[in-house]
Amino acid sequence: NAGVTQTPKFRILKIGQSMTLQCTQDMNHNYMYWYRQDPGMGLKLIYYSVGAGITDKGEVPNGYNVSRSTTEDFPLRLELAAPSQTSVYFCASSYRGDEQFFGPGTRLTVL
Amino acid sequence: AQTVTQSQPEMSVQEAETVTLSCTYDTSESDYYLFWYKQPPSRQMILVIRQEAYKQQNATENRFSVNFQKAAKSFSLKISDSQLGDAAMYFCAYRSGFDFGNEKLTFGTGTRLTIIP
Repeated sequence: NAGVTQTPKFRILKIGQSMTLQCTQDMNHNYMYWYRQDPGMGLKLIYYSVGAGITDKGEVPNGYNVSRSTTEDFPLRLELAAPSQTSVYFCASSYRGDEQFFGPGTRLTVL
Repeated sequence: AQTVTQSQPEMSVQEAETVTLSCTYDTSESDYYLFWYKQPPSRQMILVIRQEAYKQQNATENRFSVNFQKAAKSFSLKISDSQLGDAAMYFCAYRSGFDFGNEKLTFGTGTRLTIIP
């Protein structure tokens, strides 16, 4: 099993550009999450999903959108990128929340 | 809302010695879970240990153990026989036991652990 994979690993965006961060898990987990980690801080939840077709906002959803059309994939969309979205983004999945398995992260810089 | 506080931004320990990382949390719930995650320089988040609030016995995983004080809302991590590979950021995290369909984690700000050879 590859676990949770994220692409890309690094990305630089210009202000106003858009992009999609990809996340895929091969563990057949129902629950998936997107977090962001700002320098010197813990992770904050952006969006989460409890199954295909179901998504909900977390603590810091503004400026992001998600979709969950399959169990495996949970892409995060950034529209109109802003410098405040410079962060490291982590995707995670879990079967029932007992343990969340994290991807390796995507480092995003918005200039 | 639940909060998690890690009051030690940085800690250091001599190799082979023991170190304790502190974590306190605030909640009005009686059913919840607590976790310690390790984040090495590779950035990968790795679960170190978990504790269910309803269990009185402290969790242990090899060299890692916790001191869970429910009344004091304290959840410290003890690392025995520290090894160079233990160097990382350590995050304490809280998960509500009642958030069915959510199970989101609330993280502390982390403690950077340095191992001195």
